[in-house]
Amino acid sequence: ELKVEQNPLFLSMQEGKNYTIYCNYSTTSDRLYWYRQDPGKSLESLFVLLSNGAVKQEGRLMASLDTKARLSTLHITAAVHDLSATYFCAVDRYSGGGADGLTFGKGTHLIIQP
Amino acid sequence: AAGVIQSPRHLIKEKRETATLKCYPIPRHDTVYWYQQGPGQDPQFLISFYEKMQSDKGSIPDRFSAQQFSDYHSELNMSSLELGDSALYFCASSRFAGTEAFFGQGTRLTVV
Repeated sequence: ELKVEQNPLFLSMQEGKNYTIYCNYSTTSDRLYWYRQDPGKSLESLFVLLSNGAVKQEGRLMASLDTKARLSTLHITAAVHDLSATYFCAVDRYSGGGADGLTFGKGTHLIIQP
Repeated sequence: AAGVIQSPRHLIKEKRETATLKCYPIPRHDTVYWYQQGPGQDPQFLISFYEKMQSDKGSIPDRFSAQQFSDYHSELNMSSLELGDSALYFCASSRFAGTEAFFGQGTRLTVV
């Protein structure tokens, strides 16, 4: 059974600080997705990581993928309140070659306090 | 830019009733996915369609069925509704199977 494990599940941090969210997965897929979700809202695509060693950055967020370790990280630099949300990582259920659904992690509920 | 459109946005039904959720993918997207997200839970994959054919099937109850029509929109039909079916239902679409999917705003279904 495919497993996607995120940690931490809950994170409260102060503005200006740095932190990293971890995502471990059990599949051999070399693609991984990060989404952001505000309460009651849709899932916003942040990053699509397509190969081993992939690194993508957008503003204060940077995501990386290590397919050998089956690990992805989402690093937050100098956090600001607007980044408060729930962050999910997800992987393709199968090889990713077809219209496979995604398996999501439990999500990391991030609160950034002034 | 055009996004995935879901209707209705909110729906209240009684137990044992039926409900139909609709999804209109981004133009030129031929693949549609359905997900269910319970309160405080991660999204659970239900079913997907590529070029109007069922592609992948997840944890969709037998009481639910779905299809994709010739104009690529999709409908999720839910019968014999139970209290536990109360959730946010998301549709997502992608340009081709296996490419990045974009999510709609969701339909909040409440079963009373």
